[in-house]
Amino acid sequence: KAGVTQTPRYLIKTRGQQVTLSCSPISGHRSVSWYQQTPGQGLQFLFEYFSETQRNKGNFPGRFSGRQFSNSRSEMNVSTLELGDSALYLCASSLSSEFNYGYTFGSGTRLTVV
Amino acid sequence: KNQVEQSPQSLIILEGKNCTLQCNYTVSPFSNLRWYKQDTGRGPVSLTIMTFSENTKSNGRYTATLDADTKQSSLHITASQLSDSASYICVVSAEGNQFYFGTGTSLTVIP
Repeated sequence: KAGVTQTPRYLIKTRGQQVTLSCSPISGHRSVSWYQQTPGQGLQFLFEYFSETQRNKGNFPGRFSGRQFSNSRSEMNVSTLELGDSALYLCASSLSSEFNYGYTFGSGTRLTVV
Repeated sequence: KNQVEQSPQSLIILEGKNCTLQCNYTVSPFSNLRWYKQDTGRGPVSLTIMTFSENTKSNGRYTATLDADTKQSSLHITASQLSDSASYICVVSAEGNQFYFGTGTSLTVIP
């Protein structure tokens, strides 16, 4: 079965622009969570959606937002990009948001802000 | 403060040798602990998941241990292979579906 698909794989944007990243979860998975990964900070949790509702949110500014559609696909938006937003953005999906379920990660979107 | 610390930060070993990666956490209330392997340019892949009552869990050549009393976990890799070269990330979940990530150990296996 298909895994978690993230598009695009690579993206270059300039400061001040906005960007939208897409994540298609594994079929049947209703929970989608987003993470930012940088060499210095490691993986940091952004937010999680379950059945179109945001269930959890990490400590990121309001420039980072997301949403989930009825087919469980999710998008993440970053407005007014800053150089520090350059990172690998990972999406993970799970059957449920319950803590005992495993999460499957996509390959990520590499965002470079110049 | 809920934190996850991994050591060493990086490790280089010869092919065929064993190694052990460490994860110490202060997350409370503890729910479960996961080890992930992340190849360069790819997303993390789950290796093991352990709850409070589990002390050891194996996945092929990977064996994870958990000591909930000392809040320590280790990932032991036996008979390392070149394909084991990756980052290994420890993730601790707190009740309430909060996740805390270690910064990872970068493992390089050389022939």
